[in-house]
Amino acid sequence: DAGVIQSPRHEVTEMGQEVTLRCKPISGHNSLFWYRQTMMRGLELLIYFNNNVPIDDSGMPEDRFSAKMPNASFSTLKIQPSEPRDSAVYFCASRVAGGNNEQFFGPGTRLTVL
Amino acid sequence: RKEVEQDPGPFNVPEGATVAFNCTYSNSASQSFFWYRQDCRKEPKLLMSVYSSGNEDGRFTAQLNRASQYISLLIRDSKLSDSATYLCVVNRSGGSNYKLTFGKGTLLTVNP
Repeated sequence: DAGVIQSPRHEVTEMGQEVTLRCKPISGHNSLFWYRQTMMRGLELLIYFNNNVPIDDSGMPEDRFSAKMPNASFSTLKIQPSEPRDSAVYFCASRVAGGNNEQFFGPGTRLTVL
Repeated sequence: RKEVEQDPGPFNVPEGATVAFNCTYSNSASQSFFWYRQDCRKEPKLLMSVYSSGNEDGRFTAQLNRASQYISLLIRDSKLSDSATYLCVVNRSGGSNYKLTFGKGTLLTVNP
């Protein structure tokens, strides 16, 4: 079975550029989560969707960050404009309703903003 | 106070050793507790859930003390393959039932 799929796996960009990260959750999972991980702050929840609807975006750092989930099999996290402090590993995770709350993580996108 | 606090380590132990990790959480209304494992440059993966009565999975034992808001993970007879970062994870109750809060992790290195 395919797990959570993320693309790209690595992204290097220059400050001011737009960055779009993509995620395909596990089929049948109805909750999707975007996290950011840095050495300083650890793993932080940015936003999560339930049945494609954004439920809690209180972790989104600022207006430069936006996330969408147009359908059950696809989500994007966009940073515009990007800044060096956005450099981190961005994980997408999904979860199935009625389960034990286990979240299945994708391999992550390692973003470097120069 | 941080929501979930862990000793960052690193813990360096020889093969076969027993090692224990501790974690505290600040929200007394928290309902679910987990240990996740994260290998270097990989994604986190669920190691085990933590139940009120304590639970064991092979060499791994998890304990929960709600009164003290304390969670522990014990690894017996450690293997080289146990080397990883162990993340303490708490699920808050209420309107944010699906939100997991992760500790920053404890790094374990098992040496031959």
